[in-house]
Amino acid sequence: QKEVEQNSGPLSVPEGAIASLNCTYSDRGSQSFFWYRQYSGKSPELIMFIYSNGDKEDGRFTAQLNKASQYVSLLIRDSQPSDSATYLCAPRDDKIIFGKGTRLHILP
Amino acid sequence: NAGVTQTPKFQVLKTGQSMTLQCAQDMNHNSMYWYRQDPGMGLRLIYYSASEGTTDKGEVPNGYNVSRLNKREFSLRLESAAPSQTSVYFCASMEPKRGYGYTFGSGTRLTVV
Repeated sequence: QKEVEQNSGPLSVPEGAIASLNCTYSDRGSQSFFWYRQYSGKSPELIMFIYSNGDKEDGRFTAQLNKASQYVSLLIRDSQPSDSATYLCAPRDDKIIFGKGTRLHILP
Repeated sequence: NAGVTQTPKFQVLKTGQSMTLQCAQDMNHNSMYWYRQDPGMGLRLIYYSASEGTTDKGEVPNGYNVSRLNKREFSLRLESAAPSQTSVYFCASMEPKRGYGYTFGSGTRLTVV
């Protein structure tokens, strides 16, 4: 099954700075990835989907995929306190096995 | 609004009691899932249903049963609740052909005393 590794954090980033979240995977068969954001006490919500090598940008969010090195990252520019949440990286699969995610804390 | 609806939102059970968590989606998705999430832990897959009429075990199926009643509904049953089943339960659905990822319900917070 396809699994990922993420640093559980917490990752503390000053407001306005760039937050960088990383995810590594071992299954070379994983071709595409989702990034989910989960606020405390809430359900996860999909924020990004990336399926090709390189960068994908959506507003303040940029997802990066490097298939040769088997890592996925999420950059959040101009971090806001509202970005404080747990971020989950997940390989696209018919049955998604999630890691624990990375807790991000934006310092006002 | 289209989405995944879970009921109930909160429940307290006594050890040994049984209950069924309900999940329904109106997005015409083929696949549905049940996850549990414990404090400090990630989401763990309990059971899933790839299509109407099929169900399969996930990472932590012991103590649970599921029913895919029709394409819309996927229920999770605890036959004899145990304190170790205290958790937040999330239902999700997905259409694999579209690759858009999961849509999650709002969760059921279950406490077993």
